[in-house]
Amino acid sequence: AQSVTQLGSHVSVSEGALVLLRCNYSSSVPPYLFWYVQYPNQGLQLLLKYTTGATLVKGINGFEAEFKKSETSFHLTKPSAHMSDAAEYFCAVRGGLGQNFVFGPGTRLSVLP
Amino acid sequence: GAGVSQSPRYKVAKRGQDVALRCDPISGHVSLFWYQQALGQGPEFLTYFQNEAQLDKSGLPSDRFFAERPEGSVSTLKIQRTQQEDSAVYLCASSFTPSGGIFAEQFFGPGTRLTVL
Repeated sequence: AQSVTQLGSHVSVSEGALVLLRCNYSSSVPPYLFWYVQYPNQGLQLLLKYTTGATLVKGINGFEAEFKKSETSFHLTKPSAHMSDAAEYFCAVRGGLGQNFVFGPGTRLSVLP
Repeated sequence: GAGVSQSPRYKVAKRGQDVALRCDPISGHVSLFWYQQALGQGPEFLTYFQNEAQLDKSGLPSDRFFAERPEGSVSTLKIQRTQQEDSAVYLCASSFTPSGGIFAEQFFGPGTRLTVL
């Protein structure tokens, strides 16, 4: 079975500061890992995904995440926060072929002027 | 349209009423998923269709929940005899490839917010 934990239900950063959203997963098979962003009253939008290959994955809007198998982590980062980054961020894992997504509880990112 | 659409966007039901939630996936998408997102939580898997076949319904919380996709496109999630704990946002997602496709990104609709009074 797969599971996802996200440390910190709410993270606040100043505009221009580093964004770090934490995600740890549990999977009995090599995982496929995803980050989604959800803006108010909108559906989830894919930021980036790790399937195989390079462990540092770049996504949209300047976000990137690094898959660290030894730490079972897939933390999301952005060097410089923008006001438009304020949203809910969800980490998700797929256990392998034929598996649905298992989402973490989400982290709400606030960006302060 | 270009994306996944869901209707209604908001639904208020009295406890005990039946509700039907509709999902229009992206045209040509083979896979369709339903998720339930409680307030302050991440989405939780309910059920999965590949074309018209319901291949996984392990996430449906009770037999009051029923989903169908009779022609392999539009899907309806029906909840009978609604209860207050059914209040949540119901998300639909579609994917071009079957669930076994490793690059099968899921595209999500905006959701239906169900409130049961």
